[in-house]
Amino acid sequence: ETGVTQSPTHLIKTRGQQVTLRCSSQSGHNTVSWYQQALGQGPQFIFQYYREEENGRGNFPPRFSGLQFPNYSSELNVNALELDDSALYLCASSAGLAVHEQYFGPGTRLTVT
Amino acid sequence: QQQVKQSPQSLIVQKGGISIINCAYENTAFDYFPWYQQFPGKGPALLIAIRPDVSEKKEGRFTISFNKSAKQFSLHIMDSQPGDSATYFCAASGDYKLSFGAGTTVTVRA
Repeated sequence: ETGVTQSPTHLIKTRGQQVTLRCSSQSGHNTVSWYQQALGQGPQFIFQYYREEENGRGNFPPRFSGLQFPNYSSELNVNALELDDSALYLCASSAGLAVHEQYFGPGTRLTVT
Repeated sequence: QQQVKQSPQSLIVQKGGISIINCAYENTAFDYFPWYQQFPGKGPALLIAIRPDVSEKKEGRFTISFNKSAKQFSLHIMDSQPGDSATYFCAASGDYKLSFGAGTTVTVRA
């Protein structure tokens, strides 16, 4: 069984640029949730995708957007990057909407300069 | 607005000692309360979880105590080992998402 994988591991972007982060869900999982974890903080929910549709969204602006593909992998896109977007971005997958059984990937560390 | 409050921010315990982390919540619609363990550079890993109709759950050296009336729950790590040194997050599940506490960094001294 393959766990949740994310790419890239690290990246550095400049303020104002756009970035795309990728996530492959665990085998058998059809729901992907994205979280932002600022340094020294707990993860904050960005949004969730279930069966290729956005199923819920946290308190993040529209410049944070996402996609889920037929194979349940997912992308997180962030436009017009700001310095405060520097964080660890975590992807978590689950079977159906059982979010209490979410399994997290290792994250992508984004640094905005 | 943080829906789950966690304390302490950090703690140091001697090897073999007990680590206790406390969390409190307000939203009575939360229906599941997991704890996650995170090592530096890694994503959070599910450690143990409890439903609100259960007062205690034990898995190995890890025990969750849950007080529904007080809207509080806690994690006890018994016989703490240096390998337990990590950041621990409590969370609450509701409305398709997890709400996390701010985390507790546990350091176990040998």
